[in-house]
Amino acid sequence: EEQLVESGGGLVQPGGSLRLSCAASGFTFSSFDMNWVRQAPGKGLEWVSYISSDGRAMYYADSLKGRFTISRDNAKNSLYLQLNSLRAEDTAVYYCTRDPNRVYGMDVWGQGTTVTVSS
Amino acid sequence: SYDLTQPPSVSVSPGQTARITCSGDTLPKQYVHWYQQKPGQAPVLVIYKDNKRPSGIPERFSGSSSGTTVTLTISGVQAEDEADYYCQSADNSATYYVVFGGGTKLTVL
Repeated sequence: EEQLVESGGGLVQPGGSLRLSCAASGFTFSSFDMNWVRQAPGKGLEWVSYISSDGRAMYYADSLKGRFTISRDNAKNSLYLQLNSLRAEDTAVYYCTRDPNRVYGMDVWGQGTTVTVSS
Repeated sequence: SYDLTQPPSVSVSPGQTARITCSGDTLPKQYVHWYQQKPGQAPVLVIYKDNKRPSGIPERFSGSSSGTTVTLTISGVQAEDEADYYCQSADNSATYYVVFGGGTKLTVL
């Protein structure tokens, strides 16, 4: 079964940092582009970041203003998101998603990990 | 960036047809994908590349496009189809920039 499992969420103070992880299984992770998508409480989906299958191309939502960094380790079948300078508005469920060739939609989603930014 | 516009809500009775629209100026040049999200669950891809249905998605889900509007159609709506639906597109030219619509709450009366 193709599966994505996120971890690393939690409660953090404004200005703090977190590193989210996403463990992939059941498919050849190194062959697929990946994304992070977030959802604030009671709100819609918001794309956060993309990374190509080989890790060479990375793109981010304009709203992040350089505070987040996406990375991957294909040897460990893992995707990461480093969150810095966190703000209250970053409070959300963060999902990792598989994105085959950028044209077939996000066909596999994790269950999400919750980040709460509060003092 | 750019915007995708969806109606906030759509209501239908069981057995009827639900149509959820997604509008955007760039849609004639971009594929649209649709996701279903039930409360407390992760989204699920129900339509990709405007009108393709992933394996395991019931045939009552279909997609179509016309100019700047793309439509998700659910024929013979069932109670289990009550959910939030999101359209998604991407600027896939020089870079890659993903946009989601605001979401539509489908209520089965």
